[in-house]
Amino acid sequence: NAGVMQNPRHLVRRRGQEARLRCSPMKGHSHVYWYRQLPEEGLKFMVYLQKENIIDESGMPKERFSAEFPKEGPSILRIQQVVRGDSAAYFCASSPRTGLNTEAFFGQGTRLTVV
Amino acid sequence: AQSVTQLGSHVSVSEGALVLLRCNYSSSVPPYLFWYVQYPNQGLQLLLKYTSAATLVKGINGFEAEFKKSETSFHLTKPSAHMSDAAEYFCAVMADDKIIFGKGTRLHILP
Repeated sequence: NAGVMQNPRHLVRRRGQEARLRCSPMKGHSHVYWYRQLPEEGLKFMVYLQKENIIDESGMPKERFSAEFPKEGPSILRIQQVVRGDSAAYFCASSPRTGLNTEAFFGQGTRLTVV
Repeated sequence: AQSVTQLGSHVSVSEGALVLLRCNYSSSVPPYLFWYVQYPNQGLQLLLKYTSAATLVKGINGFEAEFKKSETSFHLTKPSAHMSDAAEYFCAVMADDKIIFGKGTRLHILP
């Protein structure tokens, strides 16, 4: 059973371009979380999705950022018109269900660099 | 709102010495708490979790943590540090079906 797969591992974009980050959850997992990590800041929650539904997007910036988790295929985090401040590591986690006794499994992250 | 605070962004210990990483939580309800470890350029790996079954929780790689309600703490310990323990450690709390992380503590092991 493969773990959570994120691609690409490294992504370089020029200011103003779009960045698309992909996350394939573990087999059988229908819950996906996205986090952003900046140096010395820890991981900041961005969005929580289930198949075809956004459950909690309280951590998403209001503009330029969007996320989806379609019925088929990976979850996508999309950043439009990237700026230097978007440079960070973005981590995806998946779990088989929600609830207090659920473990979330993390991918290895996508490191976005905006030049 | 539930949150965790990690005391000390960097901790250095000698190989073979006790490891103590501090975490305090804030929660209006019984918390569910976690410790994760992140090795360089890797994702996060769960070390252990507290779900109210027992106050002393044993995890992987010889780590354990004790939940102390009176001190609102969930400190991570390991009796004897190994060089391979050098990593960043995150305390976290479950809040509204999502995990909220502390800012992390980078553990350095001195030879």
